[in-house]
Amino acid sequence: DGGITQSPKYLFRKEGQNVTLSCEQNLNHDAMYWYRQDPGQGLRLIYYSQIVNDFQKGDIAEGYSVSREKKESFPLTVTSAQKNPTAFYLCASRIGTANTGELFFGEGSRLTVL
Amino acid sequence: AQSVTQLDSQVPVFEEAPVELRCNYSSSVSVYLFWYVQYPNQGLQLLLKYLSGSTLVKSINGFEAEFNKSQTSFHLRKPSVHISDTAEYFCAVSPISGGYNKLIFGAGTRLAVHP
Repeated sequence: DGGITQSPKYLFRKEGQNVTLSCEQNLNHDAMYWYRQDPGQGLRLIYYSQIVNDFQKGDIAEGYSVSREKKESFPLTVTSAQKNPTAFYLCASRIGTANTGELFFGEGSRLTVL
Repeated sequence: AQSVTQLDSQVPVFEEAPVELRCNYSSSVSVYLFWYVQYPNQGLQLLLKYLSGSTLVKSINGFEAEFNKSQTSFHLRKPSVHISDTAEYFCAVSPISGGYNKLIFGAGTRLAVHP
């Protein structure tokens, strides 16, 4: 079945550590996205990528980094510079680049900083 | 810039009762409109969308939403809810033009259906 796979589902991190969240899609979608979800705040865009080897900052990119070396993969690194990293992280993809395209989401990764 | 306001953070309702989840948006350009649903500990799924044409759009599971341009609203309704509709619902907009390729989400409305 086609879809988006995020791993790990749950992750615990000590303060000062970097952590990388994986996102893989087999939908052959061009665009991929990372959102952060906090209670009562909806989803906020961290980074997005429309094609391989290209990505743009979203609204809350500070303390995060991404890469897009393959069409299928868009990993997110939460660095020690992110001041409040505990959150639910969602990866999504979209076919094409038109704004009419539906976003397909993974099941999310919940990061907790101890 | 665009913004989305979902007027109710939580909506409790009894099973088989009607429900309306309210969504207003602000934008200097024309937008496409979406409703997404999120079940506990899962990602979001598209429920319905308005791109053009008839201002009333419907989903396969009985939800409908009406685009009102003058009031900049896109409220979601269902005439009779089920326990299985318990979830969080997100309204989102996407600018039609301007080089953007992203959705702007509201804060979400948690629908709790009680027996």
